Amino acid sequence: DAKTTQPNSMESNEEEPVHLPCNHSTISGTDYIHWYRQLPSQGPEYVIHGLTSNVNNRMASLAIAEDRKSSTLILHRATLRDAAVYYCILRDHSGGSNYKLTFGKGTLLTVNP
Amino acid sequence: KAGVTQTPRYLIKTRGQQVTLSCSPISGHRSVSWYQQTPGQGLQFLFEYFSETQRNKGNFPGRFSGRQFSNSRSEMNVSTLELGDSALYLCASSSGTGPFYEQYFGPGTRLTVT
Repeated sequence: DAKTTQPNSMESNEEEPVHLPCNHSTISGTDYIHWYRQLPSQGPEYVIHGLTSNVNNRMASLAIAEDRKSSTLILHRATLRDAAVYYCILRDHSGGSNYKLTFGKGTLLTVNP
Repeated sequence: KAGVTQTPRYLIKTRGQQVTLSCSPISGHRSVSWYQQTPGQGLQFLFEYFSETQRNKGNFPGRFSGRQFSNSRSEMNVSTLELGDSALYLCASSSGTGPFYEQYFGPGTRLTVT
């Protein structure tokens, strides 16, 4: 499985933007980049995913490097509710069976009031 | 719509016993996946069921098994419990199987083996 590397932890202030980086230098052409987050005492929740182009949804934006070896999850205005562990996951879309979610250690985001 | 529900939420068992955990997916969802979360190993995929068939399997011993019913509800069974099986077991449902479907997770079942 292609692997991702994320910082162990990051800190942000409330109402400021947060940029969460993810390196995936061994990404293959059929891997999509997915982000999930896990709030304290809850199961993970889907945030966003993309392939090559930058993506936006109501929760966040995903900026993908041109060579696809890295990406950045952007929270435009962090709130206390955004404090969570953020997971960057590569998901194989080649049509085989190896599309399961493989979670790494993730980045623990702390949001200060 | 109601979310994914898991029962029980907490469970204490003794080594050597067996346990069955239950998961009810979001209405209309036909795929159910199971994960184990521990402080040491993090979140690890156990298996996925779709239309009562196992579609994907992680690297866990045969003591871990599952099944899915015609109403898409799923159960996971662990036999001959070991101390290392203490973990949060998470169930996730999706409307289809494959990488294009986002997964919706339940709150988990906290299993403690003594």
